[in-house]
Amino acid sequence: GNSVTQMEGPVTLSEEAFLTINCTYTATGYPSLFWYVQYPGEGLQLLLKATKADDKGSNKGFEATYRKETTSFHLEKGSVQVSDSAVYFCALSMNSGYSTLTFGKGTMLLVSP
Amino acid sequence: NAGVTQTPKFQVLKTGQSMTLQCAQDMNHEYMSWYRQDPGMGLRLIHYSVGAGITDQGEVPNGYNVSRSTTEDFPLRLLSAAPSQTSVYFCASSTRRGTDTQYFGPGTRLTVL
Repeated sequence: GNSVTQMEGPVTLSEEAFLTINCTYTATGYPSLFWYVQYPGEGLQLLLKATKADDKGSNKGFEATYRKETTSFHLEKGSVQVSDSAVYFCALSMNSGYSTLTFGKGTMLLVSP
Repeated sequence: NAGVTQTPKFQVLKTGQSMTLQCAQDMNHEYMSWYRQDPGMGLRLIHYSVGAGITDQGEVPNGYNVSRSTTEDFPLRLLSAAPSQTSVYFCASSTRRGTDTQYFGPGTRLTVL
């Protein structure tokens, strides 16, 4: 079956530090890859996505590149802010199927001033 | 445009009680799904629907029932609540295509005593 593995948290950073959250996947077929973010007390919202190999998704200063050769979709941001503190979920769905998502377990990011 | 709405936001049940979690979307999406979120487990799919009258099981369907009589609504029924069903429940909707974004509701926090 399909699965997503992401680094465990919490990840604790100071403001303006560089962020990397690792995500790798296994899938039978061709997936689309997503990063969702969950702010405290809220539901999930899409941060960025990529639907084919070598695509780069970007939003709000965050980036991730779909690497088929390493089955990875690592999330990066050059300079984090306190407002980026949240839980980040990597997920996949199959391009040939329905939009059912398989999620990683989530990584909590804590940014201090 | 309300997006995906869920009611109630919070609920406390006693073991053996039944209840229905409501979910509605106003985006004319064919695909709707229910996830549960537990600490350290990410989000796991309970049931999903690809259109009115069509439902199917996800990863953790036991103890839950769904039906889809309209495009807009997708209620989740707990027939006889158990403490193991204490969780945060999220409803989501999207088009059916695996490349498309899922839109999440704000969640229902359920406690079963």
